[in-house]
Amino acid sequence: QPVLTQSPSASASLGASVRFTCTLNSEHSTYAIAWHQQQSQRGPRFLMKVNSDGSHNKGDGIPDRFSGSSSGAERYLAISSLQSEDEGEYYCQTWDSGVQVFGGGTRLTVL
Amino acid sequence: QLQLQESGPGLVKPSETLSLTCSVSGASISDANYHWGYIRQPPGKGLEWVGNIYYTGSMFYNPSLKRRVTISVDTSKNQFSVELSSVTAADTAVYYCARQVLTGHYPDEFDYWGQGILVTVSS
Repeated sequence: QPVLTQSPSASASLGASVRFTCTLNSEHSTYAIAWHQQQSQRGPRFLMKVNSDGSHNKGDGIPDRFSGSSSGAERYLAISSLQSEDEGEYYCQTWDSGVQVFGGGTRLTVL
Repeated sequence: QLQLQESGPGLVKPSETLSLTCSVSGASISDANYHWGYIRQPPGKGLEWVGNIYYTGSMFYNPSLKRRVTISVDTSKNQFSVELSSVTAADTAVYYCARQVLTGHYPDEFDYWGQGILVTVSS
């Protein structure tokens, strides 16, 4: 099954930009992934699906500040004009023949 | 507006069976474009997929939980449920239900989530 690797933590200043990376293992390097945001003490929220060609489809109501891209086995989530409510955990998810896999998550601190 | 709401006991004794139901409003659980799944999150840890089901009853389970998990669907009530048998303290977690997009033969991304319910396994 696929394996997803994420850095455990990231930080950026209010108003700045940040980019998260989700890396697929080599055997599954062409797979699409999804990004989910989890704010403190809340359920996750779907942000977008990112395909291997870099195209992405956002969830309902996701602001333009959020964007996705790809390069090789890496899938990215970028957030611009950081706001305090962007603080939280960001998870990537992928799938293979019905099996679902999550990355370990990246905790974002907004300074 | 699609909403998913988990319900069930917040406390289960060790060796017993955990049972939760997810009620769906704002969409039909019989919609052919979606699967319906459960994900859990132990306190302070990441997300772990439990399993999912299609309205026809076709299902997929996490291999590590497969021996103990059963997911069922009730289209008449627009609900789906999970049972996890022989629970231990390691099954203590927030359990989420979610909708999953079906674009080919298999489900893809989770696109709507419930708010979650904390289930504690303790005597």
